[in-house]
Amino acid sequence: ETGVTQTPRHLVMGMTNKKSLKCEQHLGHNAMYWYKQSAKKPLELMFVYNFKEQTENNSVPSRFSPECPNSSHLFLHLHTLQPEDSALYLCASSHPSGPYEQYFGPGTRLTVT
Amino acid sequence: AQKITQTQPGMFVQEKEAVTLDCTYDTSDQSYGLFWYKQPSSGEMIFLIYQGSYDEQNATEGRYSLNFQKARKSANLVISASQLGDSAMYFCAMREVNAGGTSYGKLTFGQGTILTVHP
Repeated sequence: ETGVTQTPRHLVMGMTNKKSLKCEQHLGHNAMYWYKQSAKKPLELMFVYNFKEQTENNSVPSRFSPECPNSSHLFLHLHTLQPEDSALYLCASSHPSGPYEQYFGPGTRLTVT
Repeated sequence: AQKITQTQPGMFVQEKEAVTLDCTYDTSDQSYGLFWYKQPSSGEMIFLIYQGSYDEQNATEGRYSLNFQKARKSANLVISASQLGDSAMYFCAMREVNAGGTSYGKLTFGQGTILTVHP
């Protein structure tokens, strides 16, 4: 596999469920990101990891819990979500510094019922 | 705080014509980077073009060019010879560079412009 992959591509979960989103990058990058894209809103940065260390938490509710076990993998653990959390969740990776673009995965379309 | 504004919710263009998508930004940083991404209906964000704040020349990548006017804080995307496959949402984004000169890669996105190319 090449680039940035995300699984699952679609997820429907109830408010009491616990699920995890997975992101994997095969680009040799050391920075990884989670974004949330809601309808009719700009992309919102959620978390940033540089060399496995979290460097940004953009005031994200604790029902979203990120995990970065190594520079190639990033998870987003979900529990007791709300219907307003339904959105497209995008993962991205890049080199951590310099004028480098971010490469995005295809996203996970999450629906909370 | 940074802000990106895309004032065109939707744009239409005839196939093979050129189109300009507007983007203005606001930042107090002296060093920053500007990006354009394309998002087809499939959802994936595709990187198109990059412009650094200190770059003297406008960036070009194939049919994409960036009309960078630093004094006006604008970074418009020009797509030449539009194709049907160009129909998508287009996002302008900016990355800050902190005082130490390293970037944590945080991107701020505009609201996006939906481009529709007519045959």
